Amino acid sequence: DQQVKQNSPSLSVQEGRISILNCDYTNSMFDYFLWYKKYPAEGPTFLISISSIKDKNEDGRFTVFLNKSAKHLSLHIVPSQPGDSAVYFCAASGLGGSEKLVFGKGTKLTVNP
Amino acid sequence: NAGVTQTPKFQVLKTGQSMTLQCAQDMNHNSMYWYRQDPGMGLRLIYYSASEGTTDKGEVPNGYNVSRLNKREFSLRLESAAPSQTSVYFCASLPGGSTYNEQFFGPGTRLTVL
Repeated sequence: DQQVKQNSPSLSVQEGRISILNCDYTNSMFDYFLWYKKYPAEGPTFLISISSIKDKNEDGRFTVFLNKSAKHLSLHIVPSQPGDSAVYFCAASGLGGSEKLVFGKGTKLTVNP
Repeated sequence: NAGVTQTPKFQVLKTGQSMTLQCAQDMNHNSMYWYRQDPGMGLRLIYYSASEGTTDKGEVPNGYNVSRLNKREFSLRLESAAPSQTSVYFCASLPGGSTYNEQFFGPGTRLTVL
């Protein structure tokens, strides 16, 4: 059973607009949530993270929001740029103190010029 | 500082052949991981090593073996490759004391089993 779910396989937005990528999780015991970005033929790269004790974390154009009661997090990219076009993976960790990451299936973001 | 390196980048095998995927990191990280990524799927953990000399199974370990040769190197071996093992394989490492468990990934090995 999937513990981390990204229900939108793809998202297309116009350059300059906001991109919102969503992620749901099933286990309330996760301590940390992370977003990774992946370009074709490259490995994933860490983008931004949030602790379960926070509800928002911001880093430049990227903001992650966490709604613990809904077991939902989202990544906002404002403004979106063509170079943001990539697959974005949501991941969770800290279950039972484990450092292992549990990944969602990813959302492919396309930012159109 | 090369980060996490993986060799080879591409490999084609026939069913039943064996091979070893190599991974090395020069960041003095304690933990290392092997994942596979299949189309439409996220990254699934095959094996991991929390420290030199220790290894543990992940979500999809069947058909694979691993060796944590030293702190730098973590290899993944396919003893008898099967078409179901066609995938992109990523190695990752994690520094000790990491707060959020943010792992650093290598560029991947694309493996095709015919």
